[in-house]
Amino acid sequence: QVQLHESGPGLVKPSQTLSLTCSVSGDSISSAGYYWSWIRQFPGKGLEWIGYVYYSGSTYYNPSLESRITILVDTSRNRFSLKLTSVTAADTAVYFCAREADGYLDSWGRGTLVTVSS
Amino acid sequence: DIQMTQSPSSLSASVGDRVTITCRASQSVIRFLHWYQQKPGQAPKLLIYGASTLQNGVPSRFSGSGSGTEFSLTISSLQPEDFGTYYCQQSYNTPPITFGQGTRLEAK
Repeated sequence: QVQLHESGPGLVKPSQTLSLTCSVSGDSISSAGYYWSWIRQFPGKGLEWIGYVYYSGSTYYNPSLESRITILVDTSRNRFSLKLTSVTAADTAVYFCAREADGYLDSWGRGTLVTVSS
Repeated sequence: DIQMTQSPSSLSASVGDRVTITCRASQSVIRFLHWYQQKPGQAPKLLIYGASTLQNGVPSRFSGSGSGTEFSLTISSLQPEDFGTYYCQQSYNTPPITFGQGTRLEAK
């Protein structure tokens, strides 16, 4: 059974870069057909898909965030990462990593709260 | 982007009730529509994918239907563990994947 676990700072200052890592266990991140995704949930509970990466390194980003996002995959460590630059208070959210298969997200991490504040 | 609208936004029901939640898409998503359940402090959990296919381990009291722009999630007999928030999500013509705003299901 695949498990995902997010890690990274819980507090980021405005204008700085948010960096998170998702460690995957129970499955190889190189498994064909799966995309490794980042999603965030705002305090008001709305969900926003950020983007995903394939094991080859190919990425697909939400156009609304594309200019600020980098998602990378590290197959040797079975993990992938998210960088979001120039953060503001509007980026405060719970960040989830998840596995996507055929368009749906079948496994999720527990999520990590990131607060943007000085 | 395809906009997803759920109704109602909140719903009060009793154990044993039949409950239906609706999700409408701003354009056709064929059957690329999926449903999730979220409980406080937890990640969303996949219930149904492809509009009507039950994810492994999900009780058969959950069912999904619809195609095109209108979809529904039905719980045939509400159980205590079913209270929480439900989200629909489309994956047609992506990126981006988009979610509905959620339906909060509470005990009456």
